[in-house]
Amino acid sequence: DSGVTQTPKHLITATGQRVTLRCSPRSGDLSVYWYQQSLDQGLQFLIQYYNGEERAKGNILERFSAQQFPDLHSELNLSSLELGDSALYFCASSLENSLTQYFGPGTRLTVL
Amino acid sequence: AQTVTQSQPEMSVQEAETVTLSCTYDTSESNYYLFWYKQPPSRQMILVIRQEAYKQQNATENRFSVNFQKAAKSFSLKISDSQLGDTAMYFCAFWGSQGNLIFGKGTKLSVKP
Repeated sequence: DSGVTQTPKHLITATGQRVTLRCSPRSGDLSVYWYQQSLDQGLQFLIQYYNGEERAKGNILERFSAQQFPDLHSELNLSSLELGDSALYFCASSLENSLTQYFGPGTRLTVL
Repeated sequence: AQTVTQSQPEMSVQEAETVTLSCTYDTSESNYYLFWYKQPPSRQMILVIRQEAYKQQNATENRFSVNFQKAAKSFSLKISDSQLGDTAMYFCAFWGSQGNLIFGKGTKLSVKP
């Protein structure tokens, strides 16, 4: 158990819908990272937040957004969902800007 | 841009044997970090080992060790005394100045009894 929690574990929704994925980092970790794992694209970095502020952006679509709240939990919002958004979404956290990231169990998103 | 290449999509090894997974990367940076993560069938991403580029000594964690060749930009993972629980996808990852992990495509390792 990494100490990073993600909810929900599974999410099934329809195209065009909007969903919110939630992540709670390890106690004391200020950085939160979001990754998408799909069969064709592999593991891709989406976005990083550090102590409430966006720190780095990767291959994140404009339909996706994220935020980190004062209690350091983070939410990833996915809107206007398409079939291709079906993937496993991971959250990871690290201490300050430490390099070692600890991953949550992931949220499996299925768009029908 | 940095890239990470894992040239072995699948590998298998007999229980108790030793196996080496390959990883090469491309970067113009001199200060960076490399990682191996394991993803078992449960899908959880588990940190196996990390290597700082400025350290010449190869990292070791119990049965897991790396062979880090900075000039060749090579970072292989050796698993000794393979166990059934080592069956998983293994991902090599690079961390540099861009501030996030860049992953290879992964190597699926099967440990056979």
